[in-house]
Amino acid sequence: QTVVTQEPSFSVSPGGTVTLTCGLSSGSVSTNSYPSWYQQTPGQPPRALIHSTNARSSGVPDRFSGSILGNRAALTITGAQADDESDYYCVLYVGSGIYVFGTGTRVSVL
Amino acid sequence: EVQLVESGGGLVQPGGSLRLSCVGSASIFRTSWMSWVRQAPGKGLEWLANIKEDGTDKYYGASVKGRFTISRDNANSLLFLQMNSLRAEDTAMYYCATQGYALFEYWGRGTLVTVSS
Repeated sequence: QTVVTQEPSFSVSPGGTVTLTCGLSSGSVSTNSYPSWYQQTPGQPPRALIHSTNARSSGVPDRFSGSILGNRAALTITGAQADDESDYYCVLYVGSGIYVFGTGTRVSVL
Repeated sequence: EVQLVESGGGLVQPGGSLRLSCVGSASIFRTSWMSWVRQAPGKGLEWLANIKEDGTDKYYGASVKGRFTISRDNANSLLFLQMNSLRAEDTAMYYCATQGYALFEYWGRGTLVTVSS
């Protein structure tokens, strides 16, 4: 069974930059994995940030950007703000119509 | 504004069944793949299943394949998840979401399913 791994947590200073990554238990992430990223705060449904590796969803600030770094997908927050403190999830397409969410990363801004 | 509203959650005994519903804005529902995603208390998100716009293609995650069935009624902008043989580990908030090109863009607020005796 495919597992998609993310760092459990990150801490970033206000105004700082943080890069979260998302990898496959077996194999490499590529653009053909169509990585997407979601932000979730407690008690709320997820909010779409990035899709198809690096396309920002409507209304998402440009301090959020997506990329492929080596064999992993990446979400970079540049100029972190207090309200960026959230859980972040990636999703990968693993073929045959199947999607797998990553384990999630909790980002603290302090 | 796109709206998705889930319903049908509640308390069910292990081994029981439940059918979840999701009603969506007609403007986008009929032209979207739709997915179900769940989140156990304090845990991460898990993709469960999706269904093509016309209902002809359906795919399932390994943990629910054979127990859960996704379906849709486009005339009434409704999405369903029939859940059978429920287990304690199925306890979660269940979300429906539109699924664009590898993008889960619009989400409902979820309906809570608790499996317990």
